Amino acid sequence: NAGVTQTPKFRVLKTGQSMTLLCAQDMNHEYMYWYRQDPGMGLRLIHYSVGEGTTAKGEVPDGYNVSRLKKQNFLLGLESAAPSQTSVYFCASSSSGGTFSSTDTQYFGPGTRLTVL
Amino acid sequence: AQSVSQHNHHVILSEAASLELGCNYSYGGTVNLFWYVQYPGQHLQLLLKYFSGDPLVKGIKGFEAEFIKSKFSFNLRKPSVQWSDTAEYFCAVNAEGGSQGNLIFGKGTKLSVKP
Repeated sequence: NAGVTQTPKFRVLKTGQSMTLLCAQDMNHEYMYWYRQDPGMGLRLIHYSVGEGTTAKGEVPDGYNVSRLKKQNFLLGLESAAPSQTSVYFCASSSSGGTFSSTDTQYFGPGTRLTVL
Repeated sequence: AQSVSQHNHHVILSEAASLELGCNYSYGGTVNLFWYVQYPGQHLQLLLKYFSGDPLVKGIKGFEAEFIKSKFSFNLRKPSVQWSDTAEYFCAVNAEGGSQGNLIFGKGTKLSVKP
């Protein structure tokens, strides 16, 4: 049981390039999330998904797109990278979210460090 | 809008000192509360969580937190810190009626423990 995995671990992009970050979970969780972590800012939610085929915007969605074609995968895309998107990106998953139950614990992946030059 | 405040940006302690990290949230309804820890270069790990019941919650590695509803607080404590507790600590809130599963994080508190 690997939990939540993310690829790649590190990436350097030039301004205007595109890339996709992959998040995979093997816990059969319904909910998945993408956060970015910046110094002094904590974690901010970019997008999330409440199930296969669904996505929703979080706090800071601009410049990002997501897709959840399979329950176990949640992709984060940057169509035209900007230096402001230099950050560490964390994916998380949870078994539920909307039901506000005692299982609503989010499990985090190891992160992807992205630098945009 | 819901928010979480962590009052201390950086705390420096010597080994064996006691620790208390403050966390306050702004939401008047039912909440789930979490403390996560991030060791240098690693991902976030759950330290403890409060959903209901006993407001004093015990977590891993000797940490505990107390939910005081009247003060909208969920402070993290440890009676005697170790050098290995050096990490960044994040308080988070999930509010009933909030966007589904959305955790609101504080900005984090860096803890440095001197050997």
